[in-house]
Amino acid sequence: NAGVMQNPRHLVRRRGQEARLRCSPMKGHSHVYWYRQLPEEGLKFMVYLQKENIIDESGMPKERFSAEFPKEGPSILRIQQVVRGDSAAYFCASSRTGETIMNTEAFFGQGTRLTVV
Amino acid sequence: KQEVTQIPAALSVPEGENLVLNCSFTDSAIYNLQWFRQDPGKGLTSLLLIQSSQREQTSGRLNASLDKSSGRSTLYIAASQPGDSATYLCAVKGNNDMRFGAGTRLTVKP
Repeated sequence: NAGVMQNPRHLVRRRGQEARLRCSPMKGHSHVYWYRQLPEEGLKFMVYLQKENIIDESGMPKERFSAEFPKEGPSILRIQQVVRGDSAAYFCASSRTGETIMNTEAFFGQGTRLTVV
Repeated sequence: KQEVTQIPAALSVPEGENLVLNCSFTDSAIYNLQWFRQDPGKGLTSLLLIQSSQREQTSGRLNASLDKSSGRSTLYIAASQPGDSATYLCAVKGNNDMRFGAGTRLTVKP
């Protein structure tokens, strides 16, 4: 069972371009969380998704950022018209479903390091 | 809104010392608390998960405690080693999200 897979590991975009970050959860997991980590800072919650549903997007910037987790395929974090301030490491985590979902462990991917030049 | 605080922000100790990292949270209505380790430029590695009904968890030289009513958790590292040098993060899981502290950057000197 592979862990949480994020790709690409490193992404360079010019200002104004779009960035697409992918997260494939662990097998059997249908809950995905996205976080942003700025250099020398902690992880900031962005969005929590279940299959085909956004549960909590209170940490997402109101403009340019969107996330989805389709029935088939990975979760996608999309950043339109990137600016230099978007440069950060973006991590996703997944956890499994079940009656005890609230008590289950979250597993993280290795992150995507976005650099906007 | 849940706020998670970790103290100290940085800690430097000589090899062999026992140490305690602290995590506090403002909303005691949590489902679990998880401690992670993050090496520079790397992802997060889960160390210990404590369910809301539990008081502590142990794994090797690590022991984590949870006092949900007072909103506190501690991570105890026994006989520290240079390989323990990393940033340690605690995260509390609520109804819809998982909130992190800013971390404690630990340096263990040989």
